[in-house]
Amino acid sequence: EVQLVQSGAEVKKPGESLKISCKGSGYIFTNYWIVWVRQMPGKGLEYMGIIFPGDSDTRYSPSFQGQVTISADKSISTAYLQWGSLEASDTALYYCARRGFDSGGYFGMDVWGQGTTVTVSS
Amino acid sequence: EVVMTQSPATLSVSPGERATLSCRASQTVSTNLAWYQQKPGQAPRLLIYDASARATGIPARFSGSGSGTEFTLTISSLQSEDFAVYYCQHYDNRLSWTFGQGTKVEI
Repeated sequence: EVQLVQSGAEVKKPGESLKISCKGSGYIFTNYWIVWVRQMPGKGLEYMGIIFPGDSDTRYSPSFQGQVTISADKSISTAYLQWGSLEASDTALYYCARRGFDSGGYFGMDVWGQGTTVTVSS
Repeated sequence: EVVMTQSPATLSVSPGERATLSCRASQTVSTNLAWYQQKPGQAPRLLIYDASARATGIPARFSGSGSGTEFTLTISSLQSEDFAVYYCQHYDNRLSWTFGQGTKVEI
């Protein structure tokens, strides 16, 4: 079964650092892009950025460039999203998702993780 | 950055009726458009990609159409499990993607 399993909920204080993870299984991890998506409480979906674990090619949405770091360790089929200094406004649900692929090429996100809740509060 | 605008924000429909959701792009995106369904407490689910291709396991009552800047998601006969929020999303190989703000389909 193809799946993405994310790390558990986090509660942090402003200024702290954090790294959350997304582990892929049931497919060749290095052949598919992994996307990170933010959902703030009661709000819609926001694209944060994307990484290709095969060569670590990474792109960021302009809204998140410089705010977070996306990385991957292909040896353990895991992608990461990290913050150097959290703010209260980072409180949200974060999803990882796989960019799908078929004979027509890459398309949208066909497999999603369960989400990781991050709460930043003093 | 391409801006995706969905309408209406909320759509009130009765079970068995047809629902039509719209998504407009601020510039042409060809057919690089996906639709997702999100129910409360759940991760989004891919319904449609490449504007009109149904994802694996998606019922035939869901259909997508459009190209360029205007897109439509149609649910031919709403079932109780279809009441949810629906998002459109533009994707391309420049990897700078955006979502619409969502349409809530309610009873």
